[in-house]
Amino acid sequence: AQSVTQLDSHVSVSEGTPVLLRCNYSSSYSPSLFWYVQHPNKGLQLLLKYTSAATLVKGINGFEAEFKKSETSFHLTKPSAHMSDAAEYFCVVTDGAGSYQLTFGKGTKLSVIP
Amino acid sequence: DGGITQSPKYLFRKEGQNVTLSCEQNLNHDAMYWYRQDPGQGLRLIYYSQIVNDFQKGDIAEGYSVSREKKESFPLTVTSAQKNPTAFYLCASSIRPPPYEQYFGPGTRLTVT
Repeated sequence: AQSVTQLDSHVSVSEGTPVLLRCNYSSSYSPSLFWYVQHPNKGLQLLLKYTSAATLVKGINGFEAEFKKSETSFHLTKPSAHMSDAAEYFCVVTDGAGSYQLTFGKGTKLSVIP
Repeated sequence: DGGITQSPKYLFRKEGQNVTLSCEQNLNHDAMYWYRQDPGQGLRLIYYSQIVNDFQKGDIAEGYSVSREKKESFPLTVTSAQKNPTAFYLCASSIRPPPYEQYFGPGTRLTVT
């Protein structure tokens, strides 16, 4: 069984300050993990993915995430927030072991204050 | 341009009517998916298809039906049996089933009154 918990439903940061969006996961096997971003009334766009290679994963638009097996975490970070980063972010897990499903977190809405 | 198209973007229906949402992809992906998104609940899987002429129920398939007659098309029908059909519906595809990443269409917002 697999599950994912996004620890904050809403995060607010000032423009130019760091972003941290937290995600914990549970998986019976070696998981694959993803972060997606969704702007209002749009589809989801893949930011980055972890599939058992390097534990520090770099994505698009300056985002990165670190896979920490001991903490079962996959937090998303960015050094400096831009106004265009305001959106909803989803952490996603799949164990891939006979499961054809992704499990989505409930999302974290990021607000960026000018 | 390669991608996934969903039409229409907004759809309005009266209660008791069936409605079909379109999803087309030109990415040559084998697997396709339908999700439902409600505020504060993330995405929930309705149906998925790994190959033409084959599909499986997801977590919330009741009141929905699909077909996969062509590789590039995966239409979703919301039937009158779906008790709360008003939602944002997202179609996705991937070259293979997970752990391959999924690519999403722009979504269809269905409102039933």
